[in-house]
Amino acid sequence: EIVMTQSPATLSVSPGERATLFCRASQSVSSDLAWYQQKPGQAPRLLIYGASTRATGIPARFSGSGSGTEFTLTISSLQSEDFAVYYCQQYNHWPPGTFGGGTKVEIK
Amino acid sequence: EVQLVESGGGLAQPGGSLRLSCAASGLTFSNYGMSWVRQAPGKGLEWVSAISDHGGSTYYADSVKGRFTISRDDSKNTLYLQMNSLRVEDTAVYYCAKDSPICTVWGQGTLVTVSS
Repeated sequence: EIVMTQSPATLSVSPGERATLFCRASQSVSSDLAWYQQKPGQAPRLLIYGASTRATGIPARFSGSGSGTEFTLTISSLQSEDFAVYYCQQYNHWPPGTFGGGTKVEIK
Repeated sequence: EVQLVESGGGLAQPGGSLRLSCAASGLTFSNYGMSWVRQAPGKGLEWVSAISDHGGSTYYADSVKGRFTISRDDSKNTLYLQMNSLRVEDTAVYYCAKDSPICTVWGQGTLVTVSS
């Protein structure tokens, strides 16, 4: 089973600053990587799939990059509504669609 | 707008059973694969199960294989998860989601608590 490792576990960022989140796969998953956002008490929301394609309605400040085993989610200028937990998920070796442990983006 | 509404969660004893339902609207349900994902209290996401469009293929995480059964009734636009031989570690919020393997739209979740 592919293991997905996200770093850092917590990221403290000021509003308006850039945030960079990392996701590493234990073996290559090509570009079959999705990112989800989850706010407290809410269901997750798909942000990015195919490593870099934004889902419908996702603002352009969210961007994804990477392939193989190393992936990045960048939020160019953090808005108040972006403080949340972010999860990556690989779907190249599916099933199972393994998720990373999450990165919490908190207000600095 | 696609909406997914889960129901059927609650308290069950270890070894017991529950059946979760997910009512879908705003889409041609039969055309889409569907997924179940769970989240234990204070923990991350865990993929549980998926079913193909029209129900021809089903998939399970090792942790639930042989105990859980995913199914769908396209005439009712409803997805199900039959959970048998429940364990304490199955305690979680269970989300249904449109599509697999990528979960494009999620329901609000239903809480399953397994405790004696």
